[in-house]
Amino acid sequence: KNEVEQSPQNLTAQEGEFITINCSYSVGISALHWLQQHPGGGIVSLFMLSSGKKKHGRLIATINIQEKHSSLHITASHPRDSAVYICAVPMGNDMRFGAGTRLTVKP
Amino acid sequence: KAGVTQTPRYLIKTRGQQVTLSCSPISGHRSVSWYQQTPGQGLQFLFEYFSETQRNKGNFPGRFSGRQFSNSRSEMNVSTLELGDSALYLCASNWDGGYEQYFGPGTRLTVT
Repeated sequence: KNEVEQSPQNLTAQEGEFITINCSYSVGISALHWLQQHPGGGIVSLFMLSSGKKKHGRLIATINIQEKHSSLHITASHPRDSAVYICAVPMGNDMRFGAGTRLTVKP
Repeated sequence: KAGVTQTPRYLIKTRGQQVTLSCSPISGHRSVSWYQQTPGQGLQFLFEYFSETQRNKGNFPGRFSGRQFSNSRSEMNVSTLELGDSALYLCASNWDGGYEQYFGPGTRLTVT
């Protein structure tokens, strides 16, 4: 079993839809990262959170430490949101990554 | 502020050769981490350097090594290249490890 599980693996949405991507992990952590990777390969760090909720524009990230679960929400999705979204958690001296969720938003 | 820069952006090497990749962090950032991304394994953590010392290390063989200079610039070296080392190598910097990371554009290495 992977230590960091993401779902869904692929997601296609129509412009304007509300998007939810989930991340579950198996051990206690101090913080969780959400990353966005565009087709060219560049990665942008969206959030680092250790409790509660954070919001940047149309993006919202939540984490439930007790349930070992985090969600990334995108409100009013837009084609430019099309990317791979990856959650990452530090585990000991290592950093473990989910396999990513490939989001395609159609106009 | 200039972002994280990585050189070269693309590289083709032959099996058995060695390669050195370079990463210049954002000015003021002292932590540099390296990652490997392949279609099969996804993103994997290689190592982290902070103030010229390796602070954390992922599960990679000793052929993968790195160093950090006094100006925080970092290099990673892969010796005796294997076909499986073909990947996108990303570095990321931040002020002190536990903070949000800023990624470079990556170096795409192809081993033939």
